[in-house]
Amino acid sequence: GQSLEQPSEVTAVEGAIVQINCTYQTSGFYGLSWYQQHDGGAPTFLSYNALDGLEETGRFSSFLSRSDSYGYLLLQELQMKDSASYFCAVRVSGFQKLVFGTGTRLLVSP
Amino acid sequence: DVKVTQSSRYLVKRTGEKVFLECVQDMDHENMFWYRQDPGLGLRLIYFSYDVKMKEKGDIPEGYSVSREKKERFSLILESASTNQTSMYLCASSTTGRNTNEQFFGPGTRLTVL
Repeated sequence: GQSLEQPSEVTAVEGAIVQINCTYQTSGFYGLSWYQQHDGGAPTFLSYNALDGLEETGRFSSFLSRSDSYGYLLLQELQMKDSASYFCAVRVSGFQKLVFGTGTRLLVSP
Repeated sequence: DVKVTQSSRYLVKRTGEKVFLECVQDMDHENMFWYRQDPGLGLRLIYFSYDVKMKEKGDIPEGYSVSREKKERFSLILESASTNQTSMYLCASSTTGRNTNEQFFGPGTRLTVL
């Protein structure tokens, strides 16, 4: 089977740093993606890691360790608008088939 | 601005009806996907297509079929709707070229089957 595990909910305050972890067990692995989804909105792409290490895009960074089947999304200088659900997703085939985690709801308070 | 549109935001159907959900993308993307999203279960892939008239089953294809007659349009069909198909349905597309790992999602169709 295929499974991705991430925490169901994380809370933090404005200006803080938060890390959302994702561990995976999949039949294939081409890379790990992260998507953000605000309530009532469509998921939007944040990042993709195919190789081990840290990728930084502004306030957001994403990390991958293929040997540990583990990755995380790091959000710095949290803002209220970062309150959303965050999904990790593993690309399991050359056809870009993604398997998604169940999502982490991030609540940012003042 | 890239765009994926879905035919309806909200849809209410009766058990046993045939339901068509339409998705159109204007980015000339080769790949298109249909997901359903349920609380606590994340997004689950129903079907995807990597070319016109080509389709591949995803993780939960039972009770669904798809059609892709034109590159920009991907339809999801519920042959005989059932109450357990009440869900949010999301369409997505992606390219096989540069930035191939980003999927672009439509706004979703919330389907209720009574």
